This record gives sequence, C-alpha cells and structure tokens, in this order.
Amino acid sequence: GENVEQHPSTLSVQEGDSAVIKCTYSDSASNYFPWYKQELGKRPQLIIDIRSNVGEKKDQRIAVTLNKTAKHFSLHITETQPEDSAVYFCAASRYGGSQGNLIFGKGTKLSVKP
Amino acid sequence: NAGVTQTPKFQVLKTGQSMTLQCAQDMNHNSMYWYRQDPGMGLRLIYYSASEGTTDKGEVPNGYNVSRLNKREFSLRLESAAPSQTSVYFCASSGQLDGTEAFFGQGTRLTVV
Repeated sequence: GENVEQHPSTLSVQEGDSAVIKCTYSDSASNYFPWYKQELGKRPQLIIDIRSNVGEKKDQRIAVTLNKTAKHFSLHITETQPEDSAVYFCAASRYGGSQGNLIFGKGTKLSVKP
Repeated sequence: NAGVTQTPKFQVLKTGQSMTLQCAQDMNHNSMYWYRQDPGMGLRLIYYSASEGTTDKGEVPNGYNVSRLNKREFSLRLESAAPSQTSVYFCASSGQLDGTEAFFGQGTRLTVV
C-alpha cells in the first residue's frame, strides 16, 4: 500500500522567512496530493492540493510542487506569519474507480517566531 | 450546512468495554474514512469506505470494525477497548471519485483506562 514520508518533523523560522516541507510517496499510481493545516485542538483543514497532471500550484503565500518521476512533493510558505504556526500534514491518494484511501505523512510542527 | 458530524466528542472507557463512534456527512460524498491521531504519529488510517456498500482496511485496522450504514453514515466500533486505543479519532469524507477535498469531523477524544 501507499506510504508517505514527511520531513522535517519540526521547523522553526523567523517571521517573514520562508518555510519548506517535503514529502515522498511510494505508490506511483497516486494522483492526488493535498496539504492540511491543523491548529492546536482543531480538526485538519485543507490549505492546498495538487493533482498529478500539474507540476506546481500557487495560492497567495502558499505553493506546492510535484515531481512525479522522483515521487516527491513540497509545500512552500513565503513571508511566514505567526498565524502560520500549526502542524502541517501532506497526504497522497488515488481517485477514480474504486480506490478511496487517503494516506497521511506524520506531520510537521511549524513554529513562526515574531 | 453541518459538514461532517462526529459523536461523541469525549469518552472514557474501561478496558474491555465496547463502544461505537458515529459519523455522518451531509455533502453527498462517496468516500468516508476513520483515522486515529497519536502524538508524533500523524493521522493513521483505520478503515475507509470508497463508496456505499464497501469497506476496506487501512493502516491500523486491528481491534476495530466499521459499518457503512448508508451513503451518509460510517460508524467505528471498538468491541473490547484496550489502553492502546486511547487516541483522538477523526472521521472524514470526500468526493473521492473526482479527487476532491476531504472534510474532517471535530474529533473524538477517547481514553481507555
């Protein structure tokens, strides 16, 4: 089955700096790669996602890149702010047909220091 | 527009007791999931249901059973709770057939003593 590795497990940056979180996946058939943000005591919420037919996607200060050949994808946050502090999870899945699993990495705790 | 609703929010069980966690979604999603979240372990998939009438094991299914009652509801049952099942449990749903966002319930904090 699918296995998702995520690095680093913790990341501390100064406000205004950039943060990069990297994930690798094992199942070459995976075609959907979402990123979730979880604030303390709350449920995970989607911040950005990318499908395998796209190499990069941006949404304001957040971007995700995908390298299908190497089977890795990354989250980039620019101009970090204290409210970006949270745990971030990457995930991989196959959509279409009868495939329905959604496998997560172990998470990255991001701390943004003012 | 409730989204994904889980009950209960908190539960304390004694070792050996049984209980069922309930989950319902009102977004007409095909796929539903149960995860457990433990410190440093991320979100681990227990069971999922790709569509009504089907269920499949995830990464950590031992000690759990599930029922996809209908398209809206997906329940998780612990037949004989163990302290190792102390965790936060999340239900989620998605329109998996077209690769859309998964929405999570608010979580159930379960303690087994």
